[in-house]
Amino acid sequence: EDKVVQSPLSLVVHEGDTVTLNCSYEVTNFRSLLWYKQEKKAPTFLFMLTSSGIEKKSGRLSSILDKKELFSILNITATQTGDSAIYLCAVELNFGNEKLTFGTGTRLTIIP
Amino acid sequence: DTGVSQDPRHKITKRGQNVTFRCDPISEHNRLYWYRQTLGQGPEFLTYFQNEAQLEKSRLLSDRFSAERPKGSFSTLEIQRTEQGDSAMYLCASSIGLASGANVLTFGAGSRLTVL
Repeated sequence: EDKVVQSPLSLVVHEGDTVTLNCSYEVTNFRSLLWYKQEKKAPTFLFMLTSSGIEKKSGRLSSILDKKELFSILNITATQTGDSAIYLCAVELNFGNEKLTFGTGTRLTIIP
Repeated sequence: DTGVSQDPRHKITKRGQNVTFRCDPISEHNRLYWYRQTLGQGPEFLTYFQNEAQLEKSRLLSDRFSAERPKGSFSTLEIQRTEQGDSAMYLCASSIGLASGANVLTFGAGSRLTVL
């Protein structure tokens, strides 16, 4: 069975800290890994990663994939209270199985 | 608003009643997905459509659940004879569904179901 495991499950840090969120996976026919941010409602897309070692960056957020070790990390630098959310990792498989399989998420809380 | 719309946003029902949720995807998206999310968990896949064809159903989708997308546009998810364990957020998502991949799902705000 395909598995996506995120750690930690929750994290509380002070504003300005840097955080690293982890996502490991065990799936067959891997195609891509996606990160989403979920505040109170809909998950919103952050990154899609398909190749190892290529960092994706958007402002203070960055992410990288290691297809050999089957994991990805999401980094957030200089955290702000608006970064408080659940961060979801999902894996997409190859043709014939075009759904996303999600991890349980990491709940990030930023204390002012 | 050009995002994914879901209705109703909240539904409270008594055990044994039937409920129906509606999802209007982004108009140019041909794939539509239903997920269920409970507290402390990530979204769990229920089913998805390519245009009007239902291509996959999760084993989580018991025979009390049925989903349709009759004209390849909006979709409905019906739950018959609701049980307390059905209480969850039901998320709809859509994607362009390119053959080359890059299947980024855009989610709606969800329909929260509470079964008393």
